[in-house]
Amino acid sequence: DTGVSQDPRHKITKRGQNVTFRCDPISEHNRLYWYRQTLGQGPEFLTYFQNEAQLEKSRLLSDRFSAERPKGSFSTLEIQRTEQGDSAMYLCASSLSASGSDIQYFGAGTRLSVL
Amino acid sequence: AQSVTQLGSHVSVSEGALVLLRCNYSSSVPPYLFWYVQYPNQGLQLLLKYTTGATLVKGINGFEAEFKKSETSFHLTKPSAHMSDAAEYFCAVIPAHTNAGKSTFGDGTTLTVKP
Repeated sequence: DTGVSQDPRHKITKRGQNVTFRCDPISEHNRLYWYRQTLGQGPEFLTYFQNEAQLEKSRLLSDRFSAERPKGSFSTLEIQRTEQGDSAMYLCASSLSASGSDIQYFGAGTRLSVL
Repeated sequence: AQSVTQLGSHVSVSEGALVLLRCNYSSSVPPYLFWYVQYPNQGLQLLLKYTTGATLVKGINGFEAEFKKSETSFHLTKPSAHMSDAAEYFCAVIPAHTNAGKSTFGDGTTLTVKP
């Protein structure tokens, strides 16, 4: 069990550029979640996958955001035409089962700074 | 809809003193409740959770929390603070009637432990 890993840990980009983050969940975990955390606030739910199916997207996830989990393993989160308001920590979590009460294991996050 | 309020964004205690971090939730359905800890530059780690059954829940590192439905509270306590407890703590709620696992977090409480 190597834990949830996220890459990169830090990303600095210029406004208008596209960025992509990767999340590798714990092996065999069925569920994968993306959250966004801004300074001084708790994480906010963005989207989640059960295996390769994206089951829910938050209204926070504008059309510029897209997430995939093509083979039910790793996931990517892409932000197109970044804006300064996208600056945040993007957290990924995974859980083993399809139960809502199952423990979510979090990665260390990708910190995005949009200049 | 669910919401979580953590009273006190900063709490400071002396080493060896009681730790009390407050969490109140709002949920139209029975909740699953969680406490997470986040150390700098790390992901969130689950301390404990309440799903059903015994309302006093014990977690890791000597922490415990009590679910009080009448008060819609899930306060986190530890009898004796240790320097290593200094971190940020998040309370979260998931509606029990779904299997989505979509967590709603409070804004966090930063715990400082003075020697």
